[in-house]
Amino acid sequence: GQSLEQPSEVTAVEGAIVQINCTYQTSGFYGLSWYQQHDGGAPTFLSYNALDGLEETGRFSSFLSRSDSYGYLLLQELQMKDSASYFCAVRDSSGSARQLTFGSGTQLTVLP
Amino acid sequence: GAGVSQSPSNKVTEKGKDVELRCDPISGHTALYWYRQRLGQGLEFLIYFQGNSAPDKSGLPSDRFSAERTGESVSTLTIQRTQQEDSAVYLCASSREGNEQFFGPGTRLTVL
Repeated sequence: GQSLEQPSEVTAVEGAIVQINCTYQTSGFYGLSWYQQHDGGAPTFLSYNALDGLEETGRFSSFLSRSDSYGYLLLQELQMKDSASYFCAVRDSSGSARQLTFGSGTQLTVLP
Repeated sequence: GAGVSQSPSNKVTEKGKDVELRCDPISGHTALYWYRQRLGQGLEFLIYFQGNSAPDKSGLPSDRFSAERTGESVSTLTIQRTQQEDSAVYLCASSREGNEQFFGPGTRLTVL
């Protein structure tokens, strides 16, 4: 079966850089996604990595190393509004073509 | 609106009663997913619909759970004989061919 591990909590200050790691165990890996969820809100898509390397989208970047079964989400120039839960999710061959398996989430708190 | 909508937003029911949750996906999205999210937890896959293909029901936790989808439109998730452990937020998401899933606001189910 699949399993994903990510830290349960991370705290950082405004303007700082934070990295949220995700390690996974899957069969037939297709890709790693990241979603953001504010309290009481719906998850929103941040990024998807199918190939090794770094993908940058504004202040957010996502990295994947398939050989290490590892990825991370990098948030730069942190803002208060970045306080939220961040979930990594994998697509693999054990499920349907687009089915995602989510990690338990990392609660990011940004302090002033 | 252009987003995924779900109804009701909140549902309180008594143990043993049946409930029906509704999801309206984004028009043109062929894929539809249901997830369950317990408090402070990640998203747990329940069921996946893709076009007219047979749904992937591998995530349904028991035979009390069932879901239907009419073509590429509305889906309903039915929970029969609800139990207290069914209390959670039920999230619906839809997608086209890409890797991004668009989530609705969820239905918060409380079983007393």
